[in-house]
Amino acid sequence: SQKIEQNSEALNIQEGKTATLTCNYTNYSPAYLQWYRQDPGRGPVFLLLIRENEKEKRKERLKVTFDTTLKQSLFHITASQPADSATYLCALIGSGTSYGKLTFGQGTILTVHP
Amino acid sequence: DTGVSQNPRHKITKRGQNVTFRCDPISEHNRLYWYRQTLGQGPEFLTYFQNEAQLEKSRLLSDRFSAERPKGSFSTLEIQRTEQGDSAMYLCASSLNGNTIYFGEGSWLTVV
Repeated sequence: SQKIEQNSEALNIQEGKTATLTCNYTNYSPAYLQWYRQDPGRGPVFLLLIRENEKEKRKERLKVTFDTTLKQSLFHITASQPADSATYLCALIGSGTSYGKLTFGQGTILTVHP
Repeated sequence: DTGVSQNPRHKITKRGQNVTFRCDPISEHNRLYWYRQTLGQGPEFLTYFQNEAQLEKSRLLSDRFSAERPKGSFSTLEIQRTEQGDSAMYLCASSLNGNTIYFGEGSWLTVV
């Protein structure tokens, strides 16, 4: 069955360090992958989208990589700040009849300590 | 562009009652999605519409759940004969042709 796993439920880092979150998937051929941020009690907020033919995408302090051979995406936040503390969700969009439907991982709770 | 709007934001209901949630997508977005999220989990897909047509429904969507998008604009999600297991956050999202998908703030349902 299709499975999306994010590396850990929680990640704690010091302010100023780089946070790296991992998303692995199995039995899936995604057309593209999206990363979302979710704060407690709020809906997910779109951060970045990367397509299957792209290796890397950047936006300000955020960087996403996508390796379809390893079936893995890495999400990096450089120069992390306490305001980056949130749950980060990885989501895949399939091709064909599943196009447009997001399947989510369980999320990683990131805490950035001052 | 005011984003995806959902209401009510919170609903407490007694077991066995019916509830309805409304979603107003971003204007001109042709696709509209409903997801359900419980604590500590990622959102789970329920159903989606392209314009007014309901194209896919998850097995999670039992016969007590029904969703409509009558004119291809706003959508409603109704849950009949609510059960305690229905307690969750119900998220609506929209997109233009299945590209970047934008979520609303969600509607929290508590069944007591």
